[in-house]
Amino acid sequence: QSVLAQPPSLSGTPGQRVIISCSGSGSNIGDNTVNWYQHFPGTTPKLLIYSDNQRPSGVPDRFSGSKSGTSASLAISGLQSEDEADYYCSAWDDSLSGHWVFGGGTKLTVL
Amino acid sequence: QLQVQESGPGLVKPSETLSLTCTVSGVSISGSSDYWGWIRQSPGKGLEWIASIYYSGSTYYNPSLKSRITISLDTSKNQVSLKLRSVTAADTAVYYCAREKIDIRGISNWFDPWGQGTLVIVSS
Repeated sequence: QSVLAQPPSLSGTPGQRVIISCSGSGSNIGDNTVNWYQHFPGTTPKLLIYSDNQRPSGVPDRFSGSKSGTSASLAISGLQSEDEADYYCSAWDDSLSGHWVFGGGTKLTVL
Repeated sequence: QLQVQESGPGLVKPSETLSLTCTVSGVSISGSSDYWGWIRQSPGKGLEWIASIYYSGSTYYNPSLKSRITISLDTSKNQVSLKLRSVTAADTAVYYCAREKIDIRGISNWFDPWGQGTLVIVSS
């Protein structure tokens, strides 16, 4: 069971806005920033959002991140078929001398 | 352009030691002022961070794996190595290497870029 909780799956239709949630605790999300990764199975995971809400260059502004308390969210607006992938949240956890934790991943299906 | 590429044995027997290498190109490990990390994904499961090492050699490990792992740098070859001892079937996974970028503001880090990953199967 992952330290950060994400819905295992989510679906949406083209053009729709979807939100992927990531729930943690005070020792991780509550105290540190959140990163999001996009992963097409069999390929290289890609950084999508860093420091809660920052987009690396090349990431479309359809992707946005936010955080409140011990929860974070990844919003995808104007959903496209090529957005169908697995999405993972991650944060530094201050417990046990510090370590990185990930969510279990959310498989996004574009109907 | 910074790239990382993992290499490994593919198949390891239970109780043996798994050795993986990450070759970094496009930047010198000793001069990058970043961390270098290993993350794995077991079949059908999510991502799990294993360990990270700073360019200076300081390390930190996943508490659940700490007793079995060693991460090290070979600056002459620009490589990062991972050794995982006493492997079991539960260690079967795709192992990724990634740069752990340090935020210049000191607020946070993140993993970018990642390698393509190398599949390791633990089986007799």
